[in-house]
Amino acid sequence: GAVVSQHPSWVICKSGTSVKIECRSLDFQATTMFWYRQFPKQSLMLMATSNEGSKATYEQGVEKDKFLINHASLTLSTLTVTSAHPEDSSFYICSARVQVFGFSGYTFGSGTRLTVV
Amino acid sequence: QKEVEQDPGPLSVPEGAIVSLNCTYSNSAFQYFMWYRQYSRKGPELLMYTYSSGNKEDGRFTAQVDKSSKYISLFIRDSQPSDSATYLCAMSVPNAGNMLTFGGGTRLMVKP
Repeated sequence: GAVVSQHPSWVICKSGTSVKIECRSLDFQATTMFWYRQFPKQSLMLMATSNEGSKATYEQGVEKDKFLINHASLTLSTLTVTSAHPEDSSFYICSARVQVFGFSGYTFGSGTRLTVV
Repeated sequence: QKEVEQDPGPLSVPEGAIVSLNCTYSNSAFQYFMWYRQYSRKGPELLMYTYSSGNKEDGRFTAQVDKSSKYISLFIRDSQPSDSATYLCAMSVPNAGNMLTFGGGTRLMVKP
């Protein structure tokens, strides 16, 4: 249980285009979704926190106009990288908070590798 | 100084060895401690979690928390090549949005 499905698993796009990444909670309701970015051989860096039905909260240094987050339902959150540039190439991972471990545990999507050329 | 420090490795061990992975932290408010395993190009998966101090065992995995030293460990017994992955420690403060703070990850390689 508590599975988060993330798509696509990888995407290559041209510089200047936009890319949408979807995360769906398959068997639970995700009121809160976290979006991370991970560069090679580095740890996960939190980009933003989205709550269903409200605006996302972005971490310092993350451009909210560039990384658009929508959490319109309890089972779907999307991250859109707008006007992507090569420096946006990274591994993006979503995570949802679940109350299945006796506390607020976290389950992660499988990640999306974005390459901007 | 980072809130959570973790040796990046890589740590290379022979199959069957006991592996010790560690993290130190500076925020004494952390109460929940987790270990995640991340295979290459995959999302992290939760291995173990503990609350406050103490030990927890699950199969070949044992998690230890020493809050007095601000030090946590993950032990893997009888390591297997399939254990080769990056191991991330993560911590959170109760009632602070339950935000996770991750260590940088330790890359483990178990050689057959």
